[in-house]
Amino acid sequence: AAGVIQSPRHLIKEKRETATLKCYPIPRHDTVYWYQQGPGQDPQFLISFYEKMQSDKGSIPDRFSAQQFSDYHSELNMSSLELGDSALYFCASSSTVGLSRMHNEQFFGPGTRLTVL
Amino acid sequence: GENVEQHPSTLSVQEGDSAVIKCTYSDSASNYFPWYKQELGKRPQLIIDIRSNVGEKKDQRIAVTLNKTAKHFSLHITETQPEDSAVYFCAASIARGNEKLTFGTGTRLTIIP
Repeated sequence: AAGVIQSPRHLIKEKRETATLKCYPIPRHDTVYWYQQGPGQDPQFLISFYEKMQSDKGSIPDRFSAQQFSDYHSELNMSSLELGDSALYFCASSSTVGLSRMHNEQFFGPGTRLTVL
Repeated sequence: GENVEQHPSTLSVQEGDSAVIKCTYSDSASNYFPWYKQELGKRPQLIIDIRSNVGEKKDQRIAVTLNKTAKHFSLHITETQPEDSAVYFCAASIARGNEKLTFGTGTRLTIIP
């Protein structure tokens, strides 16, 4: 079965540079979530989109922005990168249709490891 | 907002013994409680979940219990095996279909052969 796809898998940037992370949700999933996981920490919710509209916002810095496109893929744009932005960034998707709606089961992608030097 | 606390932060058990991880949550509106297993550098993988209209759910060696009154839920792993070694996260959510997950701080489980 198709899973959530994230690209790139690894990214190395210098301080103050920009980065763009991409997420391709499972086909027919209508909701995308972005989580940030620092070393030794739990995943922290950043932002989510439902049917291409922002549905919720968590602890996302103003330097970050995200959007979901007409094909349902999502991009997380990060500017003025700081050392503290080094983390694993996970995208997850879920469906509000059918049985999945009652469970809100979120399927995680493999993550993008961002290293800021 | 929701706050999820998880204990213990580390847990070592002998192979074949049982492991129990406990979580509490703060938002009484939360009604969906998944547990994720995460190996180093990998994605969180759902291992079991429970909804608020159920008190207990079991899947082979893994079980989860929920006490909604106390806002408390637990993961039980029996007959532990070396491949159970990983970090386990509990989470809470309001299952309206597209609600964020709030994670606990994780438990590093080590199975001693």
